[in-house]
Amino acid sequence: NAGVTQTPKFQVLKTGQSMTLQCAQDMNHEYMSWYRQDPGMGLRLIHYSVGAGITDQGEVPNGYNVSRSTTEDFPLRLLSAAPSQTSVYFCASSSQGGGGGYTFGSGTRLTVV
Amino acid sequence: SQQGEEDPQALSIQEGENATMNCSYKTSINNLQWYRQNSGRGLVHLILIRSNEREKHSGRLRVTLDTSKKSSSLLITASRAADTASYFCATEGFSGYSTLTFGKGTMLLVSP
Repeated sequence: NAGVTQTPKFQVLKTGQSMTLQCAQDMNHEYMSWYRQDPGMGLRLIHYSVGAGITDQGEVPNGYNVSRSTTEDFPLRLLSAAPSQTSVYFCASSSQGGGGGYTFGSGTRLTVV
Repeated sequence: SQQGEEDPQALSIQEGENATMNCSYKTSINNLQWYRQNSGRGLVHLILIRSNEREKHSGRLRVTLDTSKKSSSLLITASRAADTASYFCATEGFSGYSTLTFGKGTMLLVSP
């Protein structure tokens, strides 16, 4: 089925560990973005990409890295995990201009201990 | 910073009743979108309204947009228990790239 696939669904990390959250879409969407969702905070933009090879920072980029080598994939790297990064992470994609709205993945629930 | 603010934060109604949620935002927008999130799931796009539109319908959903007041409302008519979810408004600006800025959401509970 077409859509946005995120892996893993759940992850527990120790403080200081690094990991990569995977995101892949098969809709040939140009725009991809990462959000984190914390209780009472809504969704906040971490990083986004408007096409392969082009990325930029969102509202809360510190502690995260991204790259976009292909149209399909947009991984999010946690460089040195901190308890403040405990959150639910969502990847989303849209066609250029976003006129049709965004398609979201099912999320990765990350706990940093 | 949050662009949109939904009101109320929580809403509890009976099946068959209408549910109205409001969203206010701060800066000029290209469009405003509404999303639904069921507990523990991802967000699902419901409807998009452009800045030059005032009202839009989709099934049981009706969205209005008042750019002079920087506000929008989402009306769900004849609510069902399956409509129980959190609802978020999100705005898209006029910059050359496409990102969304979300509000904190309204939690809707529809009781049978």
